[in-house]
Amino acid sequence: ETGVTQTPRHLVMGMTNKKSLKCEQHLGHNAMYWYKQSAKKPLELMFVYNFKEQTENNSVPSRFSPECPNSSHLFLHLHTLQPEDSALYLCASSQEFDRDTEAFFGQGTRLTVV
Amino acid sequence: KQEVTQIPAALSVPEGENLVLNCSFTDSAIYNLQWFRQDPGKGLTSLLLIQSSQREQTSGRLNASLDKSSGRSTLYIAASQPGDSATYLCAVKKEKDDKIIFGKGTRLHILP
Repeated sequence: ETGVTQTPRHLVMGMTNKKSLKCEQHLGHNAMYWYKQSAKKPLELMFVYNFKEQTENNSVPSRFSPECPNSSHLFLHLHTLQPEDSALYLCASSQEFDRDTEAFFGQGTRLTVV
Repeated sequence: KQEVTQIPAALSVPEGENLVLNCSFTDSAIYNLQWFRQDPGKGLTSLLLIQSSQREQTSGRLNASLDKSSGRSTLYIAASQPGDSATYLCAVKKEKDDKIIFGKGTRLHILP
């Protein structure tokens, strides 16, 4: 248990559906991240939030929409996804964004788009 | 552009052997380097964090080294056990934009 909790653990959705992924941490961290992990590819950074403000959007398509209502919660809203968006989506947090601090990851949400 | 490379991509060794996993990165302007473990279908578990000013870190049977100037890190696992079977990921945190960049990982299989 890393202190970063992601829900749901598994999600199957159609291309016309709208769903949301949730990430929660009560570690007192100020920075939160969304990563995508596809088969045979390195983890890809999607979004970064620092003190609830988005500081990085790594050229992610608009069908992925992040939301960070407070420093403890991070959401990834999904709509009109494509089958190639099927992947493991990982959330991470760290104490300070621009400091030499350790990142902690959740267990991920396995997303399948049909 | 920071690129992280891990060699080998996969490794199988008999139980009890010592082994070394390699990680290299192209830009030495990093805050830290972190080694993670990932079991199939699971999230990432942090194993060791090496600050940019440090040379090595140890935790139990694990020892990680960092040569920042040459862009290299190694993860040494002593007396390997079947439970060590997993994918090991190396990641660096860039100074310029604070992104955490990952390698593709090394899939390790310890043979009983």
